[in-house]
Amino acid sequence: KNEVEQSPQNLTAQEGEFITINCSYSVGISALHWLQQHPGGGIVSLFMLSSGKKKHGRLIATINIQEKHSSLHITASHPRDSAVYICAVMEGFGNEKLTFGTGTRLTIIP
Amino acid sequence: GAVVSQHPSRVICKSGTSVKIECRSLDFQATTMFWYRQFPKQSLMLMATSNEGSKATYEQGVEKDKFLINHASLTLSTLTVTSAHPEDSSFYICSASISGANVLTFGAGSRLTVL
Repeated sequence: KNEVEQSPQNLTAQEGEFITINCSYSVGISALHWLQQHPGGGIVSLFMLSSGKKKHGRLIATINIQEKHSSLHITASHPRDSAVYICAVMEGFGNEKLTFGTGTRLTIIP
Repeated sequence: GAVVSQHPSRVICKSGTSVKIECRSLDFQATTMFWYRQFPKQSLMLMATSNEGSKATYEQGVEKDKFLINHASLTLSTLTVTSAHPEDSSFYICSASISGANVLTFGAGSRLTVL
Protein backbone atom coordinates (compact mmCIF):
# COMPACT_ATOMS: atom_id res chain seq x y z
CA LYS A 1 0.00 0.00 0.00
CA ASN A 2 1.42 3.37 -1.02
CA GLU A 3 1.99 5.86 1.75
CA VAL A 4 0.31 8.54 -0.35
CA GLU A 5 -2.76 7.74 -2.38
CA GLN A 6 -4.67 9.97 -4.72
CA SER A 7 -8.09 9.71 -6.26
CA PRO A 8 -9.24 9.73 -8.89
CA GLN A 9 -6.33 8.61 -11.06
CA ASN A 10 -7.94 10.15 -14.12
CA LEU A 11 -10.58 12.82 -14.33
CA THR A 12 -12.24 14.30 -17.40
CA ALA A 13 -14.64 17.20 -16.99
CA GLN A 14 -16.30 19.93 -18.99
CA GLU A 15 -15.02 23.46 -18.87
CA GLY A 16 -16.54 25.34 -15.97
CA GLU A 17 -17.04 22.34 -13.72
CA PHE A 18 -15.90 22.28 -10.10
CA ILE A 19 -13.04 19.83 -9.67
CA THR A 20 -11.98 17.95 -6.55
CA ILE A 21 -8.88 15.80 -6.25
CA ASN A 22 -8.25 13.87 -3.07
CA CYS A 23 -5.10 12.77 -1.28
CA SER A 24 -4.82 10.41 1.67
CA TYR A 25 -1.64 9.56 3.47
CA SER A 26 -0.75 7.03 6.11
CA VAL A 27 2.23 8.59 7.84
CA GLY A 28 2.69 11.53 10.12
CA ILE A 29 3.69 14.59 8.18
CA SER A 30 5.05 18.05 8.74
CA ALA A 31 3.63 19.45 5.49
CA LEU A 32 1.82 18.49 2.30
CA HIS A 33 2.43 19.86 -1.17
CA TRP A 34 0.15 20.04 -4.16
CA LEU A 35 2.10 20.09 -7.41
CA GLN A 36 1.07 20.58 -11.02
CA GLN A 37 2.92 18.81 -13.82
CA HIS A 38 2.26 19.86 -17.40
CA PRO A 39 2.67 17.58 -20.43
CA GLY A 40 6.21 18.82 -21.04
CA GLY A 41 7.17 17.59 -17.59
CA GLY A 42 7.76 20.82 -15.76
CA ILE A 43 6.47 20.90 -12.19
CA VAL A 44 5.03 23.86 -10.36
CA SER A 45 4.40 23.94 -6.63
CA LEU A 46 0.82 25.09 -6.09
CA PHE A 47 0.46 24.89 -2.34
CA MET A 48 2.27 23.87 0.78
CA LEU A 49 -0.05 23.10 3.68
CA SER A 50 0.41 22.08 7.24
CA SER A 51 -3.09 22.91 8.44
CA GLY A 52 -6.37 24.44 7.37
CA LYS A 53 -6.98 25.89 3.97
CA LYS A 54 -5.23 27.97 1.34
CA LYS A 55 -6.60 29.73 -1.71
CA HIS A 56 -4.86 31.06 -4.77
CA GLY A 57 -7.05 32.32 -7.59
CA ARG A 58 -9.35 29.49 -8.64
CA LEU A 59 -7.44 26.91 -6.63
CA ILE A 60 -8.26 25.92 -3.08
CA ALA A 61 -6.39 23.37 -0.99
CA THR A 62 -7.52 21.97 2.33
CA ILE A 63 -5.96 19.57 4.78
CA ASN A 64 -7.31 17.63 7.74
CA ILE A 65 -4.35 16.49 9.81
CA GLN A 66 -6.42 14.24 12.08
CA GLU A 67 -7.96 12.40 9.15
CA LYS A 68 -4.69 12.43 7.15
CA HIS A 69 -6.51 13.79 4.13
CA SER A 70 -6.14 16.72 1.77
CA SER A 71 -8.19 17.97 -1.15
CA LEU A 72 -7.41 20.22 -4.07
CA HIS A 73 -10.33 22.07 -5.60
CA ILE A 74 -10.47 23.96 -8.88
CA THR A 75 -13.38 26.30 -9.44
CA ALA A 76 -14.58 27.31 -12.92
CA SER A 77 -12.21 24.83 -14.54
CA HIS A 78 -10.57 25.74 -17.83
CA PRO A 79 -8.79 23.67 -20.48
CA ARG A 80 -5.49 25.22 -19.40
CA ASP A 81 -5.97 23.48 -16.04
CA SER A 82 -5.41 20.16 -17.84
CA ALA A 83 -2.34 18.64 -16.21
CA VAL A 84 -1.27 15.98 -13.74
CA TYR A 85 -1.81 17.04 -10.14
CA ILE A 86 0.46 15.43 -7.58
CA CYS A 87 0.18 15.29 -3.84
CA ALA A 88 3.45 14.99 -1.94
CA VAL A 89 4.10 14.77 1.77
CA MET A 90 7.05 15.88 3.81
CA GLU A 91 7.38 13.50 6.70
CA GLY A 92 9.62 15.10 9.22
CA PHE A 93 10.35 18.51 10.58
CA GLY A 94 13.69 19.54 9.19
CA ASN A 95 13.48 16.63 6.74
CA GLU A 96 12.60 18.03 3.36
CA LYS A 97 12.32 14.71 1.55
CA LEU A 98 9.04 14.25 -0.27
CA THR A 99 6.97 11.14 -0.82
CA PHE A 100 4.76 11.46 -3.87
CA GLY A 101 1.33 10.23 -4.75
CA THR A 102 0.82 8.68 -8.17
CA GLY A 103 -0.90 11.76 -9.51
CA THR A 104 -4.29 12.61 -10.95
CA ARG A 105 -4.48 13.27 -14.67
CA LEU A 106 -7.03 16.03 -15.23
CA THR A 107 -8.45 16.80 -18.65
CA ILE A 108 -10.81 19.72 -19.09
CA ILE A 109 -12.82 19.63 -22.30
CA PRO A 110 -13.84 22.96 -23.86
CA GLY B 1 10.43 34.19 -6.70
CA ALA B 2 12.83 31.31 -6.31
CA VAL B 3 13.89 29.93 -9.68
CA VAL B 4 15.75 26.73 -10.44
CA SER B 5 17.32 26.38 -13.85
CA GLN B 6 17.96 22.86 -15.13
CA HIS B 7 19.67 21.89 -18.32
CA PRO B 8 19.85 20.30 -20.71
CA SER B 9 16.12 19.87 -21.17
CA ARG B 10 16.64 17.01 -23.58
CA VAL B 11 19.62 14.84 -24.27
CA ILE B 12 20.11 11.84 -26.49
CA CYS B 13 23.25 9.81 -26.07
CA LYS B 14 24.75 6.52 -27.07
CA SER B 15 24.91 3.61 -24.69
CA GLY B 16 28.08 3.67 -22.62
CA THR B 17 28.55 7.42 -22.60
CA SER B 18 28.14 9.72 -19.60
CA VAL B 19 25.69 12.57 -19.35
CA LYS B 20 25.79 15.52 -16.98
CA ILE B 21 22.68 17.40 -15.91
CA GLU B 22 22.98 20.72 -14.11
CA CYS B 23 20.61 22.31 -11.65
CA ARG B 24 21.19 25.92 -10.63
CA SER B 25 19.35 28.07 -8.13
CA LEU B 26 19.26 31.47 -9.81
CA ASP B 27 18.26 33.90 -7.11
CA PHE B 28 18.74 32.06 -3.87
CA GLN B 29 21.19 29.80 -2.12
CA ALA B 30 20.16 26.17 -1.88
CA THR B 31 21.97 24.20 0.77
CA THR B 32 19.94 21.16 -0.21
CA MET B 33 18.81 20.01 -3.62
CA PHE B 34 16.93 16.87 -4.51
CA TRP B 35 17.19 14.71 -7.60
CA TYR B 36 14.21 12.71 -8.83
CA ARG B 37 13.56 10.31 -11.64
CA GLN B 38 10.24 9.76 -13.34
CA PHE B 39 9.45 6.91 -15.72
CA PRO B 40 6.54 7.29 -18.15
CA LYS B 41 3.15 7.39 -16.44
CA GLN B 42 4.74 6.90 -13.04
CA SER B 43 5.23 9.21 -10.13
CA LEU B 44 8.44 10.90 -9.19
CA MET B 45 10.92 8.88 -7.21
CA LEU B 46 13.57 10.49 -5.08
CA MET B 47 17.03 9.37 -6.13
CA ALA B 48 19.23 11.35 -3.80
CA THR B 49 19.56 14.36 -1.58
CA SER B 50 22.39 16.67 -2.52
CA ASN B 51 23.99 18.69 0.24
CA GLU B 52 26.39 21.52 -0.46
CA GLY B 53 29.90 20.65 0.56
CA SER B 54 29.21 17.07 1.53
CA LYS B 55 28.42 13.72 -0.01
CA ALA B 56 24.97 13.11 -1.38
CA THR B 57 22.57 10.80 0.40
CA TYR B 58 21.22 8.16 -1.95
CA GLU B 59 17.91 6.36 -1.68
CA GLN B 60 17.84 2.61 -1.43
CA GLY B 61 18.38 0.97 -4.78
CA VAL B 62 20.08 3.95 -6.40
CA GLU B 63 23.67 3.22 -7.40
CA LYS B 64 25.86 6.03 -6.19
CA ASP B 65 28.68 5.06 -8.55
CA LYS B 66 26.35 5.27 -11.52
CA PHE B 67 24.56 8.46 -10.59
CA LEU B 68 27.25 10.85 -9.45
CA ILE B 69 26.03 13.93 -7.65
CA ASN B 70 28.17 16.96 -6.96
CA HIS B 71 27.00 19.98 -5.02
CA ALA B 72 30.09 22.12 -5.05
CA SER B 73 28.43 25.46 -4.41
CA LEU B 74 25.27 26.84 -2.88
CA THR B 75 23.81 27.45 -6.32
CA LEU B 76 24.83 24.42 -8.37
CA SER B 77 24.23 20.71 -8.15
CA THR B 78 25.06 18.28 -10.93
CA LEU B 79 23.90 14.76 -11.68
CA THR B 80 26.11 12.66 -13.93
CA VAL B 81 24.71 9.45 -15.34
CA THR B 82 27.79 7.37 -15.99
CA SER B 83 28.00 4.64 -18.60
CA ALA B 84 24.39 5.23 -19.53
CA HIS B 85 22.25 2.36 -20.76
CA PRO B 86 18.83 2.36 -22.41
CA GLU B 87 17.17 1.51 -19.09
CA ASP B 88 18.47 4.81 -17.73
CA SER B 89 16.25 6.62 -20.21
CA SER B 90 13.95 8.67 -18.04
CA PHE B 91 12.89 12.15 -16.98
CA TYR B 92 15.25 13.57 -14.37
CA ILE B 93 14.20 16.56 -12.32
CA CYS B 94 15.75 18.51 -9.49
CA SER B 95 14.24 20.60 -6.77
CA ALA B 96 15.53 23.00 -4.21
CA SER B 97 14.11 24.60 -1.17
CA ILE B 98 14.92 27.55 0.98
CA SER B 99 15.18 26.10 4.43
CA GLY B 100 12.55 27.48 6.75
CA ALA B 101 10.93 29.57 4.03
CA ASN B 102 8.27 27.10 2.89
CA VAL B 103 9.41 27.51 -0.70
CA LEU B 104 9.89 24.51 -2.97
CA THR B 105 10.96 24.99 -6.55
CA PHE B 106 11.50 22.45 -9.29
CA GLY B 107 13.71 22.58 -12.31
CA ALA B 108 12.07 22.09 -15.70
CA GLY B 109 13.45 18.59 -15.95
CA SER B 110 15.80 16.77 -18.31
CA ARG B 111 14.58 14.03 -20.61
CA LEU B 112 17.34 11.52 -21.20
CA THR B 113 17.18 9.04 -24.05
CA VAL B 114 19.93 6.47 -24.27
CA LEU B 115 20.18 4.71 -27.61
